[in-house]
Amino acid sequence: DTGVSQNPRHKITKRGQNVTFRCDPISEHNRLYWYRQTLGQGPEFLTYFQNEAQLEKSRLLSDRFSAERPKGSFSTLEIQRTEQGDSAMYLCASSLGAASYNEQFFGPGTRLTVL
Amino acid sequence: AQRVTQPEKLLSVFKGAPVELKCNYSYSGSPELFWYVQYSRQRLQLLLRHISRESIKGFTADLNKGETSFHLKKPFAQEEDSAMYYCALKGNYQLIWGAGTKLIIKP
Repeated sequence: DTGVSQNPRHKITKRGQNVTFRCDPISEHNRLYWYRQTLGQGPEFLTYFQNEAQLEKSRLLSDRFSAERPKGSFSTLEIQRTEQGDSAMYLCASSLGAASYNEQFFGPGTRLTVL
Repeated sequence: AQRVTQPEKLLSVFKGAPVELKCNYSYSGSPELFWYVQYSRQRLQLLLRHISRESIKGFTADLNKGETSFHLKKPFAQEEDSAMYYCALKGNYQLIWGAGTKLIIKP
């Protein structure tokens, strides 16, 4: 499968615990995006990488959230001290492009449940 | 403010009937708009974008800057069109999404 992959697919954790999600983009794609989706809503932008540089962060990304993309390949999204409000589907997408928009390809998502 | 509004959470039509999924946007510049679809148990995928002016799976969407709309249309619905449909607007880097419309095609 050469599409975007995300691991784990499901994560159940207790409030206050830290969690980390991984996204593997399509191999030649230089852009990587994280979105969060709650029930009944469309995805909300969290952050964006071009290669290894994190170029944009949403105000939704509180200081408990951190994302990395070492070497411009896979990316990780860590949530520290999880809260029940963090329960959501976390989506990763990648695209190939320079200055203009190119189609974003989405992974299957990681569903986080905070108890 | 940049915003996308999909006023219908659910749309149910009979097979063979016309379909129109509504999308309105708010954007100060020249917008780039997209429709994404998510079939049951599948990931989000691009359906069409306004700059391509293409028809995909019988769906078309026309950008109306006067009405700030980008409605998705299909003249004759098929059962396999049942899915979640999201309208999205290109921001600086990211996509800004509507809440989605669940389309159900009744046999």
